[in-house]
Amino acid sequence: DAGITQSPRHKVTETGTPVTLRCHQTENHRYMYWYRQDPGHGLRLIHYSYGVKDTDKGEVSDGYSVSRSKTEDFLLTLESATSSQTSVYFCAISESTGANEKLFFGSGTQLSVL
Amino acid sequence: EDQVTQSPEALRLQEGESSSLNCSYTVSGLRGLFWYRQDPGKGPEFLFTLYSAGEEKEKERLKATLTKKESFLHITAPKPEDSATYLCAVQASGGYQKVTFGTGTKLQVIP
Repeated sequence: DAGITQSPRHKVTETGTPVTLRCHQTENHRYMYWYRQDPGHGLRLIHYSYGVKDTDKGEVSDGYSVSRSKTEDFLLTLESATSSQTSVYFCAISESTGANEKLFFGSGTQLSVL
Repeated sequence: EDQVTQSPEALRLQEGESSSLNCSYTVSGLRGLFWYRQDPGKGPEFLFTLYSAGEEKEKERLKATLTKKESFLHITAPKPEDSATYLCAVQASGGYQKVTFGTGTKLQVIP
């Protein structure tokens, strides 16, 4: 299994509170991604990183911010959580974007915003 | 806009009963098509990458094929441990981060 750890695994929070999810990798992969998975939707990219302090937006980035201060850690922050952000969040990593674009996923964080 | 449609949404098979899952896609230049397996409560696990029409890849009881409009995941003589949700995704040639996922086919194999 790829060395990806997501924390927490489960979180319940209230609307309007800030929430930070953490992704830690031991693979030294350059690329890291945050996805959300909701019923009726495929996995959707929130933000991604292509190196330390290098990040960019995905297709559903509104309401989310990210930071990557070390190769191994990628943080996803919900500045002010809303009920629409209730979802399962997956971190993924990839070694490159060339011939080996496959993604390795963490086990996910189930977030409930009440 | 890139789109991936998977069918059926759910499939129930008897152990040993072979079948196929479908992934139809539209993309502005295909860089790669991916198949993943996802077990309940876990993240997707990579199975295959296909790059061009006519390509086939196999792994145990699974075989993935690709045409210009769709991909099939053939499951031969499935076992209960093959029960999972199978996800299809496409990567467009325009941007490496733009991977579009389908909603998956939930497969249940009954002993």
